[in-house]
Amino acid sequence: QVQLVQSGAEVKKPGASVKVSCKASGYSFTSHYLHWVRQAPGQRLEWMGIINPSGGSTSYAEKFQGRVTLTRATSTSTVYMELSSLTSEDTAVYYCARAQAPYNWNYQFDYWGQGTLVTVSS
Amino acid sequence: DIQMTQSPSSLSASVGDRVTITCQASQDISEYLNWYQQKPGKAPKLLIYDASNLESGVTSRFSGGGSGTDFTFTITSLQAEDIATYYCQQYDHIPPTFGGGTKVEIK
Repeated sequence: QVQLVQSGAEVKKPGASVKVSCKASGYSFTSHYLHWVRQAPGQRLEWMGIINPSGGSTSYAEKFQGRVTLTRATSTSTVYMELSSLTSEDTAVYYCARAQAPYNWNYQFDYWGQGTLVTVSS
Repeated sequence: DIQMTQSPSSLSASVGDRVTITCQASQDISEYLNWYQQKPGKAPKLLIYDASNLESGVTSRFSGGGSGTDFTFTITSLQAEDIATYYCQQYDHIPPTFGGGTKVEIK
């Protein structure tokens, strides 16, 4: 069965960076694009970006341009989300989510990771 | 960015009731709208895509409709396991954006 398993919770100081991983299994890793979505406490879900696991191409929300980097390792079927220059406003649960339709920039999220809580605190 | 407005923000209904949630987009998004269910401490789950298509494996008690700027999500007969927060999401314009959520509780 399709599974997306994320790395564990992180606590970071303001100004630091965080890197969260998302390991995919149960399907062909390169067939479906992967997204990152975050949810701050009491806030709505917020889309951050998308990566094509096959070629590595990416697209980011304007809000996060210059601060977020999505990468992938095809050998381990893992995608990574790195967010830099953290502030308290980045405290949130970060999710990876699979695009529903294969082989295209699809924005329906059919499988999600379990979420990774990132806490930014001095 | 397109703004998505859901109403109500919360509701309380009895088991067996018909429940309807609305979602309004700040501009025309055709039928590029999805609905998700999120239970406490869990990731969202895709229920409806392209406004009215039921995701595989999802109960037929859930349905969606609408186009343009106004959309609805309906639970035909509320069950205890439906207690959750429901979100709409548009993807006609990038970035995709979500509504603020509707928390459904049992009366």
